[in-house]
Amino acid sequence: GENVEQHPSTLSVQEGDSAVIKCTYSDSASNYFPWYKQELGKGPQLIIDIRSNVGEKKDQRIAVTLNKTAKHFSLHITETQPEDSAVYFCAAMETSGSRLTFGEGTQLTVNP
Amino acid sequence: EPEVTQTPSHQVTQMGQEVILRCVPISNHLYFYWYRQILGQKVEFLVSFYNNEISEKSEIFDDQFSVERPDGSNFTLKIRSTKLEDSAMYFCASSEQGGYNSPLHFGNGTRLTVT
Repeated sequence: GENVEQHPSTLSVQEGDSAVIKCTYSDSASNYFPWYKQELGKGPQLIIDIRSNVGEKKDQRIAVTLNKTAKHFSLHITETQPEDSAVYFCAAMETSGSRLTFGEGTQLTVNP
Repeated sequence: EPEVTQTPSHQVTQMGQEVILRCVPISNHLYFYWYRQILGQKVEFLVSFYNNEISEKSEIFDDQFSVERPDGSNFTLKIRSTKLEDSAMYFCASSEQGGYNSPLHFGNGTRLTVT
């Protein structure tokens, strides 16, 4: 089955800096890669996703890149703000399946 | 914005007891899911449900687990005889279409504590 690895497990940045979180996956059949933000006491909230026919996608301060050959994808947050502090999860899903396989999560702390 | 709602937010039960976790998915969604997150670990898939039947289930989803859509709005997860290792956060999710074609929306979870 699919295995998703995520790095780093913790990331601390200064407000205004950029943050990058990286994930690798094992199943070449995976074609959908969402990123979720989880705040304390809440469920995962989708912030951006990418499908395998696209190499990069951007939404304001958030961008995701995908390298299918290397089987890795990354989340980039620019101009970080304290409210970006949360746990971020990457995930992967194959086209024919219905299960998301999550990475271990990254605790992002943005220091004012 | 429509939300997935879960009740209760926290459930404490004794080992061996049955529990039912409840979820109200977003109203026009057709696909429903349960995931769990043991404290400090990754979110794990349990089961997906469509058209009143299970689409896919993980190795975790053994005979102690069952899901049901008893009416047009609720989606439940039942654990027949809880074990200590069932203690976790359980998340319900729903999507308009199959997961690849539309994003999953998660509820805020039910924290299950088995003593």
